[in-house]
Amino acid sequence: GNSVTQMEGPVTLSEEAFLTINCTYTATGYPSLFWYVQYPGEGLQLLLKATKADDKGSNKGFEATYRKETTSFHLEKGSVQVSDSAVYFCALSDSGGYQKVTFGIGTKLQVIP
Amino acid sequence: DAGVTQSPTHLIKTRGQQVTLRCSPKSGHDTVSWYQQALGQGPQFIFQYYEEEERQRGNFPDRFSGHQFPNYSSELNVNALLLGDSALYLCASSRDRRYGYTFGSGTRLTVV
Repeated sequence: GNSVTQMEGPVTLSEEAFLTINCTYTATGYPSLFWYVQYPGEGLQLLLKATKADDKGSNKGFEATYRKETTSFHLEKGSVQVSDSAVYFCALSDSGGYQKVTFGIGTKLQVIP
Repeated sequence: DAGVTQSPTHLIKTRGQQVTLRCSPKSGHDTVSWYQQALGQGPQFIFQYYEEEERQRGNFPDRFSGHQFPNYSSELNVNALLLGDSALYLCASSRDRRYGYTFGSGTRLTVV
């Protein structure tokens, strides 16, 4: 079955540091890939997406590139802010007609001033 | 344009009771999925509804059941509640897998 593996957290960074959260996946076919963010006490918000190999998703300074050869979709941001503190989930949607989404365990990011 | 609306936001139930959670999808979305998110974990897929039919189901027991109405809204029912059912229950709607889901804020269920 499909699976998503994320780096274990928590990740603690100083403000303006560079962020990388690793994500690799296992899936058949050509899944769509997503990063979701969850702020404390809230539901999930779609941060960015990529639907085919070599696509780059980007939003709010975050970006991730769909790498089919390494089955990866690492999240990066050049300069994090305190307001970026949240839990980040890597996810995939299978390539069939259905839209089931499989999530990783989530990586908690804490940005300190 | 309202996003996904879930009710109630919080709920406390006693072990053995039954609970119904409700979800109204985002306008224009026809597919509704339910997820269970235990504390410190990623969301786990419960099931998905499309055209009032359960289209896919995750590894959850039959105590978990659902329904989708003609207006695309949905209910999640859980019977014979266990302490382990305590979690955040998320509803998500979509119209096309390529665009991802829109999630509601969830219902926090506590079973005591």
